[in-house]
Amino acid sequence: QQQVRQSPQSLTVWEGETAILNCSYEDSTFDYFPWYWQFPRESPALLIAIRPVSNKKEDGRFTIFFNKREKKLSLHITDSQPGDSATYFCAASASSGSWQLIFGSGTQLTVMP
Amino acid sequence: GGIITQTPKFLIGQEGQKLTLKCQQNFNHDTMYWYRQDSGKGLRLIYYSITENDLQKGDLSEGYDASREKKSSFSLTVTSAQKNEMAVFLCASSIVFQNTLYFGAGTRLSVL
Repeated sequence: QQQVRQSPQSLTVWEGETAILNCSYEDSTFDYFPWYWQFPRESPALLIAIRPVSNKKEDGRFTIFFNKREKKLSLHITDSQPGDSATYFCAASASSGSWQLIFGSGTQLTVMP
Repeated sequence: GGIITQTPKFLIGQEGQKLTLKCQQNFNHDTMYWYRQDSGKGLRLIYYSITENDLQKGDLSEGYDASREKKSSFSLTVTSAQKNEMAVFLCASSIVFQNTLYFGAGTRLSVL
């Protein structure tokens, strides 16, 4: 049972374009949604996170859009750069219950120069 | 700043062998985690420890044991290595739950 789903599995965009990475979840008790990125041969690191009190979180070129009703969120990367090429993981957890941080299977983003 | 040190970096085992992976953090974080990363499957939680004397099973705990020896260290044991198993085991820590996870560099396991 996959509680956090990501699409597409891989995405290629040209430098300067906007990359859109999608994430959906099943558990309505999830109330914290971080995105981690992982560069080749490195460990994951936190990129940006959102809590459902807001439906949008922005940090520079990275923006999370959150739709609580549809249990969906997306990460938009504007003006994509080759240095953004990485695997992006959406994750979710609930402040009540088991406290586990559940990761999606990731989207591998390639930004072509 | 701080660092999470995982040892060993590479681990080659035999089928059926008991293998132990170690993790040390100097962030003074309360919560520590063990995740397994397989290609194309994201990160799956094996065990976590909210505080020093706590141990919780994740969704992938079968076949593993864990031990939180002290606040700064958290070890994982593969109780019986499976033939052709290949994965990266990532240790992480955070101040409290739902805070930023900081990951170690990982231990790459190969079972012959």
